[in-house]
Amino acid sequence: NAGVTQTPKFRVLKTGQSMTLLCAQDMNHEYMYWYRQDPGMGLRLIHYSVGEGTTAKGEVPDGYNVSRLKKQNFLLGLESAAPSQTSVYFCASSYDPAGLLNYNEQFFGPGTRLTVL
Amino acid sequence: DQQVKQNSPSLSVQEGRISILNCDYTNSMFDYFLWYKKYPAEGPTFLISISSIKDKNEDGRFTVFLNKSAKHLSLHIVPSQPGDSAVYFCAASRADRGSTLGRLYFGRGTQLTVWP
Repeated sequence: NAGVTQTPKFRVLKTGQSMTLLCAQDMNHEYMYWYRQDPGMGLRLIHYSVGEGTTAKGEVPDGYNVSRLKKQNFLLGLESAAPSQTSVYFCASSYDPAGLLNYNEQFFGPGTRLTVL
Repeated sequence: DQQVKQNSPSLSVQEGRISILNCDYTNSMFDYFLWYKKYPAEGPTFLISISSIKDKNEDGRFTVFLNKSAKHLSLHIVPSQPGDSAVYFCAASRADRGSTLGRLYFGRGTQLTVWP
C-alpha cells in the first residue's frame, strides 16, 4: 500500500493564481483532512471530509475550497493564491473515528510545500 | 483559542537520558490523546496514544502519562537516542459525535534534539 500520497510535492505560485492539491489514499479510509503547517503554529485544520461527497470547515478555511468526489481522493483548491497561503500542506486520512474506542489515528501524507510570491 | 498547548518549543537531551515532553489541554470533552513524531520534509507519524480511562500507556521506550485532573499529559522517552530527534506533536480528540467527529486538535509541537 502506498498509504497517503500528495501531488505535487513542491509548487511556486504568483499572487492571484489558482491551483489544486491532490490527496489520494488507498486504505479505504472514510475520513480525510487537509492541514497546513507554519513555523511555530503546529498543524491547523483547513477542511475535512467524513465521507464521499461531504466536506466541513476546519479552523482556517478561508481562501480554500475542497471536494471529495471519490472516497479515495480529497482535493484542496486555492482560487486566488495569496502570500499568506505560503505553507506546507498535509493531507491525512483515518478509518474509524466513530468507533467505540474513541480514538482517531490519522495517517499523513508527505506534504506539499507551497510558496506564493 | 489553542485547546492543546505545548509550552516548550524545544528540548535538548543527551543520548541515554530521559526526554520528557509536556502537553496541556483545556477542553474537558477530550477523551483520547495521541503523540505524533515528525521528521523534516516528512509527514507526521503516529507514535503512541492513551485513552482517558487510563493514566499510563507504554510502548517500548515510549510512555505516555495522563493526569486528567490537571488536564496534562507527558511523553517519556527512555533512553533517548539521536534518531529520536524530531518535532513531537501532542493531539487530542473528542468522543462526542457530530460536527467535530474525527477531528484532532494539535499542539504547536516541541523540537526534541538528542545529542551524543
